[in-house]
Amino acid sequence: DQQVKQNSPSLSVQEGRISILNCDYTNSMFDYFLWYKKYPAEGPTFLISISSIKDKNEDGRFTVFLNKSAKHLSLHIVPSQPGDSAVYFCAASALGSQGNLIFGKGTKLSVKP
Amino acid sequence: GAGVSQSPSNKVTEKGKDVELRCDPISGHTALYWYRQSLGQGLEFLIYFQGNSAPDKSGLPSDRFSAERTGGSVSTLTIQRTQQEDSAVYLCASSLNRNASPLHFGNGTRLTVT
Repeated sequence: DQQVKQNSPSLSVQEGRISILNCDYTNSMFDYFLWYKKYPAEGPTFLISISSIKDKNEDGRFTVFLNKSAKHLSLHIVPSQPGDSAVYFCAASALGSQGNLIFGKGTKLSVKP
Repeated sequence: GAGVSQSPSNKVTEKGKDVELRCDPISGHTALYWYRQSLGQGLEFLIYFQGNSAPDKSGLPSDRFSAERTGGSVSTLTIQRTQQEDSAVYLCASSLNRNASPLHFGNGTRLTVT
């Protein structure tokens, strides 16, 4: 039973446009959410996070939105660049727990020049 | 500034053999995690070490899998009597502590069981 779901395995966007990657979760105990980016043959790298006390966190071109009532979060990248092409993983944890992150299956983003 | 280091980067082994995968975390990071990524899947949690506490082994898929962390630093993941379904990329990560600290991942060990 997947607790973190990324329902779109892939997404293709034109350079300069907005990329929106979606993530849904089922465990209401999750209160800390992260996005990781992964290039081929490399480990995932941390991108941005948000705690449940906020509904938005912004870092440069990257913004994460959290809708707790819908158990949904999204990552917006604007403007998208070809170097953003990678697999993006959504992850969640419950801070009161041991803290191991539960990851989604990832969405492969392709930004076309 | 060394990141998380894993070795070997690639390992091909015959079914039934034992393998050891090594992880050197970032110096000063007290938390260490092992994940694996099978083809087309997300990252599957395996085991977690925090300081001197007993590890959280809840993600280990079978008793053929074990891990240890010596001296609070280097960790070794051991898979005994490997099976073809063990083929995956095994990722190690470390963080400053268990709460609200992003994980820093190594580049992983690609294990192929033939």
